[in-house]
Amino acid sequence: AQTVTQSQPEMSVQEAETVTLSCTYDTSENNYYLFWYKQPPSRQMILVIRQEAYKQQNATENRFSVNFQKAAKSFSLKISDSQLGDTAMYFCAFRPEETSGSRLTFGEGTQLTVNP
Amino acid sequence: EPEVTQTPSHQVTQMGQEVILRCVPISNHLYFYWYRQILGQKVEFLVSFYNNEISEKSEIFDDQFSVERPDGSNFTLKIRSTKLEDSAMYFCASTPGQYNEQFFGPGTRLTVL
Repeated sequence: AQTVTQSQPEMSVQEAETVTLSCTYDTSENNYYLFWYKQPPSRQMILVIRQEAYKQQNATENRFSVNFQKAAKSFSLKISDSQLGDTAMYFCAFRPEETSGSRLTFGEGTQLTVNP
Repeated sequence: EPEVTQTPSHQVTQMGQEVILRCVPISNHLYFYWYRQILGQKVEFLVSFYNNEISEKSEIFDDQFSVERPDGSNFTLKIRSTKLEDSAMYFCASTPGQYNEQFFGPGTRLTVL
C-alpha cells in the first residue's frame, strides 16, 4: 500500500516571497503519478500540478513548480511570488500506474497562509 | 466552466438514520469517485464507479455504504445506518477518462449526532 506524508501542518509566507511545501511518499511501484491539490476556504479541491514518475523533468505551471526526487521519494511544491489567493490547504496525492487502479492517496495536508 | 456540484452542503442526522449524499458530475465525465475527510485527518478514497458498477473500493466502503447513478446526471452515496464516526466531509469527483485529472466537488459536511 502507498502512503503519503506531509510533515508541515502549517506554513506562512509573505506576499511576493517564495515558499516550499514538502511531501514524501512510499511505494513499491516504479510508475505512478503525483499531484498537488489546493483546497481554499470554499473547500473545493483544485489540481495545481501533476508529475509523471517516468519523467525526469520537473513539472511547472506558472508560479508553481515541483522538485521531484524519485530515489528519495520526495515531491515538494515551490510557490514563487506568493499571492494572497494562494492561501489554502495544500494536499500532496499519489496515484498508481494505470494498471493498478485510479484512486488517489492523499497526505495530511499543509495549511499555507500568505500574509500581506 | 463546468464543475462538479454536491448537495446538500451540510447534512445533520441522527445515529442510525439513512442518508443520501448527492453529486452531479461534469456532464461528459464517465468515472465517478467518493472520498471522505474526517475533521483533521487525511482525505480518504471510498469508491470509484464506472459503467454503472463499482470499479474499486476501499476497506472503509463496507456494507453500510452504497453508490448509485439513478439517472443520467446524479451520482449518489447512501449510508444505510449512520454511525458517529461517519461524521466527515464527503467529496465527489469525476473524470472523463480513468487516468485523467479528477475534478472535485465542494463537498458535503455530514454530522451524525
